Amino acid sequence: AQSVSQHNHHVILSEAASLELGCNYSYGGTVNLFWYVQYPGQHLQLLLKYFSGDPLVKGIKGFEAEFIKSKFSFNLRKPSVQWSDTAEYFCAVKRAGTASKLTFGTGTRLQVTL
Amino acid sequence: GAVVSQHPSRVICKSGTSVKIECRSLDFQATTMFWYRQFPKQSLMLMATSNEGSKATYEQGVEKDKFLINHASLTLSTLTVTSAHPEDSSFYICSARQLAGLSSYNEQFFGPGTRLTVL
Repeated sequence: AQSVSQHNHHVILSEAASLELGCNYSYGGTVNLFWYVQYPGQHLQLLLKYFSGDPLVKGIKGFEAEFIKSKFSFNLRKPSVQWSDTAEYFCAVKRAGTASKLTFGTGTRLQVTL
Repeated sequence: GAVVSQHPSRVICKSGTSVKIECRSLDFQATTMFWYRQFPKQSLMLMATSNEGSKATYEQGVEKDKFLINHASLTLSTLTVTSAHPEDSSFYICSARQLAGLSSYNEQFFGPGTRLTVL
């Protein structure tokens, strides 16, 4: 079974700082990778996803993530965070090729200060 | 994107009572719905997967007799927590997926969650 680990549990940044959230997964086969965001009091929303092709994926709100197969990683990045990016971020993985279930990481709480 | 609603958003009940949570896909037909449980500062743990018209598939360690799932239509799934106890207090989130085409991936859309507190 696959598993996902997010090493940063709580990150505090000032506005305009650059962001990188780590995500590593364990599964030997081909995977599909996702980042979700949960703003305070709101439901989970998809930020971006990787299926195949260019390992650098661009998502909404200026976020991007890079799939590095050799490192089993899918880190999320944003060059300049805003106060409105304050939220919980979840990395998720599923086996490719089937409509299988998502496995979520434990989440990273991002707090952006003014 | 597609919208998934949950009702109620929060519920408080006495120990020993049963609570029903509804999950609806508002603008699409959801052939598959998922129920998750989220503990404070922890990840979403999948409880069960339900396909319309068939029995739910429960994850290991989830009591099917305690967490009854019904997916009677393409837009509605219910989770009933039977004989609830304080340890069942949690945040329950549903997710719905539309089956479209031959893509191996169909995005899951998440509901806003239901906060259950059992006294």
